[in-house]
Amino acid sequence: QKEVEQNSGPLSVPEGAIASLNCTYSDRGSQSFFWYRQYSGKSPELIMFIYSNGDKEDGRFTAQLNKASQYVSLLIRDSQPSDSATYLCAVNRYGGSQGNLIFGKGTKLSVKP
Amino acid sequence: DTGVSQNPRHKITKRGQNVTFRCDPISEHNRLYWYRQTLGQGPEFLTYFQNEAQLEKSRLLSDRFSAERPKGSFSTLEIQRTEQGDSAMYLCASSSPSGPNTGELFFGEGSRLTVL
Repeated sequence: QKEVEQNSGPLSVPEGAIASLNCTYSDRGSQSFFWYRQYSGKSPELIMFIYSNGDKEDGRFTAQLNKASQYVSLLIRDSQPSDSATYLCAVNRYGGSQGNLIFGKGTKLSVKP
Repeated sequence: DTGVSQNPRHKITKRGQNVTFRCDPISEHNRLYWYRQTLGQGPEFLTYFQNEAQLEKSRLLSDRFSAERPKGSFSTLEIQRTEQGDSAMYLCASSSPSGPNTGELFFGEGSRLTVL
């Protein structure tokens, strides 16, 4: 089992729709969970982090964490063409430093005008 | 520009040659990370510095790879006797020891290595 798994997509949604991105992780000891966005040819940038079970909202973005199911998701409301990018789920490596992250392969999101 | 700076941005080399990449982190960040990313994959952790001390190294970091951060500011990543499998984007990231999310990484634009 891969440590962090994501559906590689591409996920295509129409402009204004909700995009739902999912991620599962294998290490039950992981405590910190991140969503990074990576535009083609660019470096990753953090958009959300979540540490506790439940939902965390920031503008159009909502991160959801369920530690019992080892599942993290990201919802993007009112999707815009500018949201088209690869979304990387990352999990802090248990026993490692806070920035020692295990990344999934990413889900490519395409928002159609 | 006060972000993470990396150079060179692109490096093409022949197999067997040595290459060195430099990273200048955000000035107030004492934590510095090196990651490697290949096409279609997420970044993979290589190593971590807190100030000048190298505190973590991945098993991915073979003995051909060496990283330094001599004065706790900029860092270098050297790859000796390059192999075609070393072709990748080498990403540097830094983070702050304080604030609401000390795990947030700020990535540089990366150094792309092509080994012929």
